[in-house]
Parts: sequence; C-alpha cells; structure tokens
Amino acid sequence: AQKVTQAQTEISVVEKEDVTLDCVYETRDTTYYLFWYKQPPSGELVFLIRRNSFDEQNEISGRYSWNFQKSTSSFNFTITASQVVDSAVYFCALSEGELSGGYQKVTFGIGTKLQVIP
Amino acid sequence: DGGITQSPKYLFRKEGQNVTLSCEQNLNHDAMYWYRQDPGQGLRLIYYSQIVNDFQKGDIAEGYSVSREKKESFPLTVTSAQKNPTAFYLCASGGQGPWNEQFFGPGTRLTVL
Repeated sequence: AQKVTQAQTEISVVEKEDVTLDCVYETRDTTYYLFWYKQPPSGELVFLIRRNSFDEQNEISGRYSWNFQKSTSSFNFTITASQVVDSAVYFCALSEGELSGGYQKVTFGIGTKLQVIP
Repeated sequence: DGGITQSPKYLFRKEGQNVTLSCEQNLNHDAMYWYRQDPGQGLRLIYYSQIVNDFQKGDIAEGYSVSREKKESFPLTVTSAQKNPTAFYLCASGGQGPWNEQFFGPGTRLTVL
C-alpha cells in the first residue's frame, strides 16, 4: 500500500525567509510518480511539479526547488525568499506506476499549511 | 478558456435531504474524480470515472452516488445515508495514466444544518 507523510501540519515564516516542506512516501512499486500541489485560500488545487521514480534530478523553478531522494524516500519542496502570496496549503501526492484496476491510484498527504507573515 | 467548474460554491442542506454537486470540464479529459477534504485529513477519494458510463468507488463511497453520462460532466449526489456530509468537495479531471497531473475545480463547501 502506498502512503504519503507530511509531518509538518503548519509552518509560519517571516517574509523573505526560506522554508522547506517535507514529504516522505512509501510504495512497493519501482515505477511511481510524485507531485506537489498548492491550495491557496480560494480552495482550488494547482499543480506545481511532477517527478518520476527514475529521475532523481533536482529541479528549480524561480524561487521554488524540489529535492527528490530515493534513498530516503523523500521529495521535499523549498521556497526561497518566501512571499505572502506563498501562503497556502501544500500537498504532496504519490501515483503508482501500475494502474490499479485501470485507475490511477493517487494518494495525497494531509497537507502542510504555510503562513508567510509580512 | 479551459478548466473545471463546480457549482454551487456554497451549499446548505437540511438533514435527510439529498443534494447534487455539479462538476463540468472542457479539457477533454477522460478521467474525472471526486474528493472530500476535511481539516487534518487531506484529500480522500469518493468516486472516479475513467470513461463515459463507467465509474468506480473510491475509499469513502458510502452515502454518495455519481453518474457519467457525458465526458464533460460528473455530478456527485450526497444522499441522506451519508452520516457526516459537511465538508469541502473537490472535483478533478486528468488524462489516462499515472504520470498525469490532475486539474481541480474551485470546490463546493457543503454544510448540513
């Protein structure tokens, strides 16, 4: 069974600080996909990034960066120089590579609520 | 412009009443999903559909029903059998295959009075 753990339920930082959101996953599949989504106060989840299990290359997109380490089953997300607009709930998600009865089984973590204080 | 719409944004229901939440997408996605979000519990899958006229139960389907008569539409009915229906409901769609991200609607907040 797959599982996603986001141990930090809430984080508060002061604007311009760097912050890392942790994500630890469990899966028996050798092929899987990891995602991060952002849920602003409006409620709609927005896709941020996808990473497959064969690609451990870290990625940077502006102030956002992601560190994928298979050895520790982690897919952490760092925001550099945080801004108030980064305040949101962030979800990490895991999708198994093998279709489960034809369905893309996606497991979401419980989310980390980030508050950036001006 | 493409996306997913959900209506209404807020919904109030009396106990014992059924209520239907609307979800429409114009992204030409085959797969559609309904999730329930409660504080501290993340997203839990209610129902999903990979193709028109076919749908499967998710992890918490009891007290809910769906239909998929059109590719674009995937309405969710919350029945009186659902014991604790007050929650935030999110609809999503996506392409076939586990590598595809999901696209989410703005959600419907249901409150049972």
